[in-house]
Parts: sequence; C-alpha cells; structure tokens
Amino acid sequence: DTAVSQTPKYLVTQMGNDKSIKCEQNLGHDTMYWYKQDSKKFLKIMFSYNNKELIINETVPNRFSPKSPDKAHLNLHINSLELGDSAVYFCASSRDRTSGANIANTGELFFGEGSRLTVL
Amino acid sequence: LAKTTQPISMDSYEGQEVNITCSHNNIATNDYITWYQQFPSQGPRFIIQGYKTKVTNEVASLFIPADRKSSTLSLPRVSLSDTAVYYCLVGDPLVTGGGNKLTFGTGTQLKVEL
Repeated sequence: DTAVSQTPKYLVTQMGNDKSIKCEQNLGHDTMYWYKQDSKKFLKIMFSYNNKELIINETVPNRFSPKSPDKAHLNLHINSLELGDSAVYFCASSRDRTSGANIANTGELFFGEGSRLTVL
Repeated sequence: LAKTTQPISMDSYEGQEVNITCSHNNIATNDYITWYQQFPSQGPRFIIQGYKTKVTNEVASLFIPADRKSSTLSLPRVSLSDTAVYYCLVGDPLVTGGGNKLTFGTGTQLKVEL
C-alpha cells in the first residue's frame, strides 16, 4: 500500500484554468503538507495542516486554496493558473509532537510521488 | 530557523566514500540535523537524523562536531544508484506542522559515475 498518494501524477492545462490535486495518507499522521519544487529543484513549503487546521501558509497567492476534509486528506485547488505555477507539487505527512511522546519519533516527512503541473 | 549551506553539486565514482558537509552556524539548542535523499521523479525520503556526535544506520553515517555548527553526511562505497539530491535540514523535527520541515532549499546534487 502506498503511504502517501497523490493524483494526478501529470497535469497539463491552459493558463486561466482551475485545477485540483488530491492527496491521501494512510499512515495515521496528524500533519500534512504541500511543497512546490521548481525547475531548479528548489523545494519550498507552501502549506501545512494539523488535524484539518491550517498551521503554515508561506505567502502563497490566494489562487492556491488547500482543503482538508479529514486528517488523512489534503487537497490543493489552484484557480486561474499562471505559467509560473508550472512545477512539481509534493504532498507529505508527518507524525509530530501532538501525536504523543515517542522517543523513537524522528518527525520525518513521508512524501508522495509528486504531481507535475504544466501550464501552457 | 537555522539557515543551512551545502555544496550545489558533487561528483564521485562507484566504490568511493562520499562526504557531504552542511554548515548551520546558528543552530539552536532544540534543533536536530536531518538529511533527506531525492531521486529523479520521486519525493524526498528520510535518510538519517542526529543531534550530536555520530549516528549510523544501514544507509549512511552522520558526523556532528561538538559545536554542532556543521554536519557531514557520509555515504560509504557509493554506487550509481546513489545519484540523487541530498538535502540538509536543521530544526526541531517534532514542531507541529513546521520546525525543520520548512526549509529544504536546493540541496546537493550527487552524481556517481563508473
């Protein structure tokens, strides 16, 4: 079973369109994330959610709207797509301190395979 | 969050030991040092984490000097399949939704050749 799965894997669309990327994790983690990786491999955090609540929003344009229907899902909706939105988007999850004390918990991130978005 | 500096790229040959150093001069008391590996077309995956001295697992070793202002990821006897980008992250790994998960940067591209 895939721990963190995201769909679609590839997405090609025109400027101005609206698109969504879905993410699901079956690890029982409380925290989920969206990262953006550009063509130069710079990997940058966009959002993080803990138990369906927004924790981090790293100055991402309002066109990006994450939605977490439950703690196992974090979807990313993008309105009015622009050329600069072309990138690989990674979903991730982790088990953090609020999940309970565990000296063996490294807080490591588990990533999905990525969704390559190309805006034409 | 502590800023990290690591080389943009490194080249090596199969069978050699590779050491990638990361500088983190303003590391805080609660911060851990965590390394991730990313293969092309895949998400990063956790390699190793340490707080001080030396940590070793089945994949790599992590050396951290006493002042903790730098760390070195050591990959023994690399193979072609170790060609990947390696990210050094510094911060509290258990901070809810944040901590050391926020700043991956551009990492070090390791290329292993025959």
